[in-house]
Amino acid sequence: QKEVEQDPGPLSVPEGAIVSLNCTYSNSAFQYFMWYRQYSRKGPELLMYTYSSGNKEDGRFTAQVDKSSKYISLFIRDSQPSDSATYLCAMSAAGNQFYFGTGTSLTVIP
Amino acid sequence: DAEITQSPRHKITETGRQVTLACHQTWNHNNMFWYRQDLGHGLRLIHYSYGVQDTNKGEVSDGYSVSRSNTEDLPLTLESAASSQTSVYFCASRSSTGNTIYFGEGSWLTVV
Repeated sequence: QKEVEQDPGPLSVPEGAIVSLNCTYSNSAFQYFMWYRQYSRKGPELLMYTYSSGNKEDGRFTAQVDKSSKYISLFIRDSQPSDSATYLCAMSAAGNQFYFGTGTSLTVIP
Repeated sequence: DAEITQSPRHKITETGRQVTLACHQTWNHNNMFWYRQDLGHGLRLIHYSYGVQDTNKGEVSDGYSVSRSNTEDLPLTLESAASSQTSVYFCASRSSTGNTIYFGEGSWLTVV
């Protein structure tokens, strides 16, 4: 079993839609959770960082962590064509080793 | 702004040749990482370093080596390039006290 599971998609939504991206994990020691956005032929860019459980909001983006279910989500409100990218979840127990999902490809159609 | 840069960004090489990919960061981060990214596999850790003179193997280290002679640089060497090493390679870094890592823009390597 992989440490982190992420549905690869692809996911295609109309502009303005609410997008939900999800990852599950197996290691209960994970306490640092990240979402990265990766545009085509670019490096992953840190989008959201959350420590432990709860929600964090930044503009149109909300990251949610449910440690009891070992499940994390990224919500994108009022999605824009510029949000079209691959989204990677990542997590860490002690901040040294990082475990990544395989990424979900998102296309927002104008 | 501090940053992490990789070079070359694109390279084509022949099977059996030695190749070195450079990574330079100006954040003064102690921790540096090399990943390769392949369709269906996501990011896989090749090697990492927690400081000068420290290097460690990741999950896919066979055929690769790194050296850390200063804080800023972690070059990745492919000793004898193989077609299976055709991939995009990302360097990343993290401060000793931080809990997130930051990536470079990637190096696309094709081995023919």
